[in-house]
This record gives sequence, structure tokens and C-alpha cells, in this order.
Amino acid sequence: GESVGLHLPTLSVQEGDNSIINCAYSNSASDYFIWYKQESGKGPQFIIDIRSNMDKRQGQRVTVLLNKTVKHLSLQIAATQPGDSAVYFCAENKEVNSGYSTLTFGKGTMLLVSP
Amino acid sequence: DTAVSQTPKYLVTQMGNDKSIKCEQNLGHDTMYWYKQDSKKFLKIMFSYNNKELIINETVPNRFSPKSPDKAHLNLHINSLELGDSAVYFCASSLIQENTEAFFGQGTRLTVV
Repeated sequence: GESVGLHLPTLSVQEGDNSIINCAYSNSASDYFIWYKQESGKGPQFIIDIRSNMDKRQGQRVTVLLNKTVKHLSLQIAATQPGDSAVYFCAENKEVNSGYSTLTFGKGTMLLVSP
Repeated sequence: DTAVSQTPKYLVTQMGNDKSIKCEQNLGHDTMYWYKQDSKKFLKIMFSYNNKELIINETVPNRFSPKSPDKAHLNLHINSLELGDSAVYFCASSLIQENTEAFFGQGTRLTVV
């Protein structure tokens, strides 16, 4: 199940289940979004991205859905494996200075996959 | 073939000291960043440099001074370290044109005692 509180939101699933991680973004003008995976002791790694002119994009075992109406992103992981255990971040590309954008990260969700 | 490398990986130091973290990227990117990750895993942008020029400074204390000798390097110098500076610092790089991902280094865990 999913829990939200003072600690990092955590999603616990069984190996083989499908996982869905959700994210709300802040800027309706953001036009590019990325999901990153961060394993313990490592830097964030790119998983999949989506542009605002799309609603859905699929990769290998992963799918990102974008709902611009409610400013919501989700990451779906099919047949979750123990190696998928990590913290997952959504990031939006926001313009911060004229002509320059930077990635702004959401709070992160920890995915725990048990065998 | 490390794309974004930062050193050191761990740094333990006393309050009041001055320390530096180095970052290099071999991806040919023109933009580099420093992010700070706190104990709750929240990642916050600190600085961004494009072709050695500062383009983003997100209200970081003056004790933090980034330096970019060329577009492949962005170092972070911190003066008069405080306990609250303890965090993991990530360097990243990307291409300035919009809609491109950023590549991250492995992080530097800074502990101020």
C-alpha cells in the first residue's frame, strides 16, 4: 500500500505486481517532464520522459501518463522486480530566467519490492 | 567511462572549515548544475552555469561559490561550513536547448561535525 506522512511516501509491492507512482506538478506552463530513479548511494538516473503535447509514452516495462488538466504525472512499472526498489522522482522543466529552464524535482516516492 | 564525475564521494569536516567539491562531465554538454539533497531526499537546484556563465542562483548563501573554469567543469567551494550544510550534493549536466534530460553524478555526501 501507499503511505504519506513525515517520511518519504512509500509504495510497497510484491514482485511481479504492477506499480503506479503518482506526481503532481506545479507549473501549467511546463512542457517537458522526466521520471528519475535513484538507488541508494547513487545519483538520479533517467527512466523516461514525456513532452506536453503527449498524454502517454511507453518504454521497456515503464509507461508515463500525463494529465495536463489536473497537472498530474504517473509512472507505471509492469511486473515490478526487486531491482526496481529505489526512490522515484518526477521532474518538470520550468523556465527560471528568460530563455533558460531547469529541472525542478518533486518530493520523491520510495518503491519497495518484496520477493 | 563516467559521464558526470564528482569528487570526493564522502567529505567529513568540522564547522567553520572551507571545502571544495569538484565536478567534471565528458558529455560535451554546455550547461552544468549543482543540486542539494536533504535528509528527506528533496532535491533542490542551487546553481546553473551555461558555457561558464552563471544563469541560475537559487538564493544560496554567499558562503557557496561555484566556479566554472571551462564548460566541462563546475566546482563548488563552501566557506565557513555550518551544521546545516550537511547533505548530499549532486552535480549534473545537460544541453541548454529545452526538453533534454540532465545527467547526474554519483553525489558527494558532506557531513559537518
